[in-house]
Amino acid sequence: DSGVTQTPKHLITATGQRVTLRCSPRSGDLSVYWYQQSLDQGLQFLIQYYNGEERAKGNILERFSAQQFPDLHSELNLSSLELGDSALYFCASSYPGAGETQYFGPGTRLLVL
Amino acid sequence: DAKTTQPPSMDCAEGRAANLPCNHSTISGNEYVYWYRQIHSQGPQYIIHGLKNNETNEMASLIITEDRKSSTLILPHATLRDTAVYYCIVRVEGNDMRFGAGTRLTVKP
Repeated sequence: DSGVTQTPKHLITATGQRVTLRCSPRSGDLSVYWYQQSLDQGLQFLIQYYNGEERAKGNILERFSAQQFPDLHSELNLSSLELGDSALYFCASSYPGAGETQYFGPGTRLLVL
Repeated sequence: DAKTTQPPSMDCAEGRAANLPCNHSTISGNEYVYWYRQIHSQGPQYIIHGLKNNETNEMASLIITEDRKSSTLILPHATLRDTAVYYCIVRVEGNDMRFGAGTRLTVKP
């Protein structure tokens, strides 16, 4: 158990819909990272937040957005969903220093029908 | 962040040491070497990391060559539960992780 929690574990929705994925980082961690893992793309970095502020962006679509709240939990919002958005979505958290090792949550499996 | 090269797959006999190689010939001085593994579709699990020196923890040992252009992850006594995809990543502290295809390690009885 990494200490990072993600909800929900599974999500099934239809094309065109909007969903919100939630991540609670390990106690004390300030950074949250979101990753997408699909069958054909592997693990892809989406976005990073540090203490409430966006720090880095990766391959995140304009239909996707995220935020980190004052209590440091984070939400990833996916809108106008397409079949290709079906994937595993992981968040990770880290604390500054000593390499800033990232610890990953168990993921949310999203299926868009 | 530097690119890494890993063999796509490896086998190991249960109880034997598993040695997983990684090449990172363009690594910069401030980049760490990280190893993670992913079992089935679970979240990637942190194994070990290092900058210059060899490192050991309860899970594995990390051997980094003196020129830092390659490294080896050693699982000293592999078990069936070590069957997973192993990712070698080089990264500047604080940056995101850039995952490649990794090495699929199969531990056989």
